[in-house]
Amino acid sequence: GESVGLHLPTLSVQEGDNSIINCAYSNSASDYFIWYKQESGKGPQFIIDIRSNMDKRQGQRVTVLLNKTVKHLSLQIAATQPGDSAVYFCAEMTTDSWGKFQFGAGTQVVVTP
Amino acid sequence: NAGVTQTPKFQVLKTGQSMTLQCAQDMNHEYMSWYRQDPGMGLRLIHYSVGAGITDQGEVPNGYNVSRSTTEDFPLRLLSAAPSQTSVYFCASSYSGASQETQYFGPGTRLLVL
Repeated sequence: GESVGLHLPTLSVQEGDNSIINCAYSNSASDYFIWYKQESGKGPQFIIDIRSNMDKRQGQRVTVLLNKTVKHLSLQIAATQPGDSAVYFCAEMTTDSWGKFQFGAGTQVVVTP
Repeated sequence: NAGVTQTPKFQVLKTGQSMTLQCAQDMNHEYMSWYRQDPGMGLRLIHYSVGAGITDQGEVPNGYNVSRSTTEDFPLRLLSAAPSQTSVYFCASSYSGASQETQYFGPGTRLLVL
């Protein structure tokens, strides 16, 4: 999920398949991470979060994995649906600088029938 | 609860004009932030506030001012608009408690500076 200039990386997924969206974060001191979903013309919407004392957290149809060694975060969406088509952002923060989130550039997910 | 509200939804300005983007939240959140989002890019933090009377600069503060006189409101002022400030602006708010560390976003203000 790395940005290339103005063109967002795109992940095409067939409906019903699982999606994996990746994010490399920059600050080794970051200890709180969030995944957001942004549909066209709308503000970002919280999906799931994870603290740095965890490696994995599961929600409804979504799982976030955190690998602090390589500063990598991933979002897995099970049984991808057409409504999952959106841009997905990861955000990182250090809790001693609460409110100062740093966002990744995003990944466009396109769900095909 | 209305959540986070932003006005206006759309605005067209001429270079040099000033304006204020309004943001309000009714969730009693301590933290509020302003971001800008440019095509194909993630959100960049402009200014943020950890409580009434306290503000600080984010990643891209130049050309913008903020104030936080109440917990509910966090207006963003463009003093002299420039074409480079054409963007979509999002306001966000959050708690700081251990179990509520999520950030809620408003619907955005789309600004075009000619």
